[in-house]
Amino acid sequence: AQSVTQLDSHVSVSEGTPVLLRCNYSSSYSPSLFWYVQHPNKGLQLLLKYTSAATLVKGINGFEAEFKKSETSFHLTKPSAHMSDAAEYFCVVPRSNDYKLSFGAGTTVTVRA
Amino acid sequence: EAGVVQSPRYKIIEKKQPVAFWCNPISGHNTLYWYLQNLGQGPELLIRYENEEAVDDSQLPKDRFSAERLKGVDSTLKIQPAELGDSAVYLCASTGQATNEQFFGPGTRLTVL
Repeated sequence: AQSVTQLDSHVSVSEGTPVLLRCNYSSSYSPSLFWYVQHPNKGLQLLLKYTSAATLVKGINGFEAEFKKSETSFHLTKPSAHMSDAAEYFCVVPRSNDYKLSFGAGTTVTVRA
Repeated sequence: EAGVVQSPRYKIIEKKQPVAFWCNPISGHNTLYWYLQNLGQGPELLIRYENEEAVDDSQLPKDRFSAERLKGVDSTLKIQPAELGDSAVYLCASTGQATNEQFFGPGTRLTVL
């Protein structure tokens, strides 16, 4: 079965400093992996997705993630946090090679001025 | 392109009352999903439609929950009667044929008193 574990429930950073959100996955095969963002009272928006084409994936709003098979990780990073990055972030893996998505518990990002 | 539309955005009801949520997916998207998101958790799939057919309703609590997508476009999710534990955000998502990316609506936040 495919699953993800988000290692931090809450991350707090200062504006202009780097952001790191950690995600480990468990899969019996090389999976697809996604990061979604959910701003307060908004729907989930796809930040980026890994589908085995390239291990370093660039997404929207300056985010990127690196797939590391040896570490079973797919950590999300951004070099410089902005106030608008304050949101909930979900690491997601399809539960099988189809539509069912398995969401991590989420990481809440707070950005300090 | 208009996104997934959901209404109402917020609903407060007393327990044992019925409630209904409405979703209009992105135009042309044949696949529609309803998710339940409890506070501090990731969304969990309730039901998936391919056009007007419910192809996966295994996670839908059928004793009190029902859903329909009569014309294969918009959909309604109903709870009757509502219980205190149903307080959550109900998300709708849709997918087109050319992609497996799910586009989410803003959700309906239900509070059962």
